[in-house]
Amino acid sequence: AQSVTQLGSHVSVSEGALVLLRCNYSSSVPPYLFWYVQYPNQGLQLLLKYTTGATLVKGINGFEAEFKKSETSFHLTKPSAHMSDAAEYFCAVSPGGGADGLTFGKGTHLIIQP
Amino acid sequence: DAGVIQSPRHEVTEMGQEVTLRCKPISGHNSLFWYRQTMMRGLELLIYFNNNVPIDDSGMPEDRFSAKMPNASFSTLKIQPSEPRDSAVYFCASRADSYEQYFGPGTRLTVT
Repeated sequence: AQSVTQLGSHVSVSEGALVLLRCNYSSSVPPYLFWYVQYPNQGLQLLLKYTTGATLVKGINGFEAEFKKSETSFHLTKPSAHMSDAAEYFCAVSPGGGADGLTFGKGTHLIIQP
Repeated sequence: DAGVIQSPRHEVTEMGQEVTLRCKPISGHNSLFWYRQTMMRGLELLIYFNNNVPIDDSGMPEDRFSAKMPNASFSTLKIQPSEPRDSAVYFCASRADSYEQYFGPGTRLTVT
């Protein structure tokens, strides 16, 4: 079984500041990990994914995340926040092989202060 | 590519009525997923299909919910009878072999 914990239901940062959204997972098998973004009244869009190989993965819109097995974490970062980054962000896990559906965290609402 | 298509985008119905949600996956994708999103429970997997065959329906909340995939280009999620607690946004997603799921825009269901 898998589970995902996202620390902080709301995160507020100033425009131009570092964005850090936290995600910890639990999985009985090597996981595949994902970050999705959801803008109001829209579906989910994939930001980035980790399957195997390099533990630092880069995604769209300047986001990246690092898989740390020892910490069971997959935190999402962006060096400089932009107003357009304001959205809901979801971390998700699937069993290794990615054959099954996704288990999502509760989401983190990112607020960008001008 | 049109992406995953869901219809209707909004549905308002009265308790006890039958509701059918529709999904057209991306052409060539062989897996299809139905999710439900609520404030209380977040995003939950309801059921998924591989090559039109239901693989895991353990997330379907009750027998009132049923899903079908008669062919590779169409799936339905039916609720009969509907109840107010079924009010949610229902997402369909499809996937090829890359492990990346592509989500549709969702159907916002309101049961009064």
